[in-house]
Amino acid sequence: LAKTTQPISMDSYEGQEVNITCSHNNIATNDYITWYQQFPSQGPRFIIQGYKTKVTNEVASLFIPADRKSSTLSLPRVSLSDTAVYYCLVAMNSGYSTLTFGKGTMLLVSP
Amino acid sequence: NAGVTQTPKFQVLKTGQSMTLQCAQDMNHEYMSWYRQDPGMGLRLIHYSVGAGITDQGEVPNGYNVSRSTTEDFPLRLLSAAPSQTSVYFCASSSLALHTDTQYFGPGTRLTVL
Repeated sequence: LAKTTQPISMDSYEGQEVNITCSHNNIATNDYITWYQQFPSQGPRFIIQGYKTKVTNEVASLFIPADRKSSTLSLPRVSLSDTAVYYCLVAMNSGYSTLTFGKGTMLLVSP
Repeated sequence: NAGVTQTPKFQVLKTGQSMTLQCAQDMNHEYMSWYRQDPGMGLRLIHYSVGAGITDQGEVPNGYNVSRSTTEDFPLRLLSAAPSQTSVYFCASSSLALHTDTQYFGPGTRLTVL
């Protein structure tokens, strides 16, 4: 079971770039890495997913080194509305019951 | 296209009472799941289903039952509620290509057991 480790919290200011790193030492060959965002009183929402190297979409980038034992979610020029909890999830190709969310990273963006 | 819907939004139960949390999706997803979220604990998988008639246990299944009679619906039943089941419950759905697909979550049900 590939367990993930993230910082519990991070602080930033509006307009800065934020990088949140997730450690997943036991990731398996076929596993993908997915990041979700959760606002208070809402369900998690998909942000980005990747397998290796770099993935970019309209809201974030995901950097995955060659050994895939970690990944970094990059949020460019954050705003107050990016204040949320961010979860790193390693999707198990071999078993649906092993899908687990860690405790996430609480990102607080200040003016 | 409503996505994933959950009812009720809030519920208060007394210890020992039973109830069913409803979840429905209109995306024709084969995979559906239930999570509970407690403060500081992230989301923990309770039960999941890979299709109508097929269910299985997740990380924390005790005290909960599920069934999947249709593709659209995946109710979660608490047979005898306990204070330890006070939590926020999220239902999610996805295609079966779970390792490459995203999960869509409902708005959640906040349950308090007195």
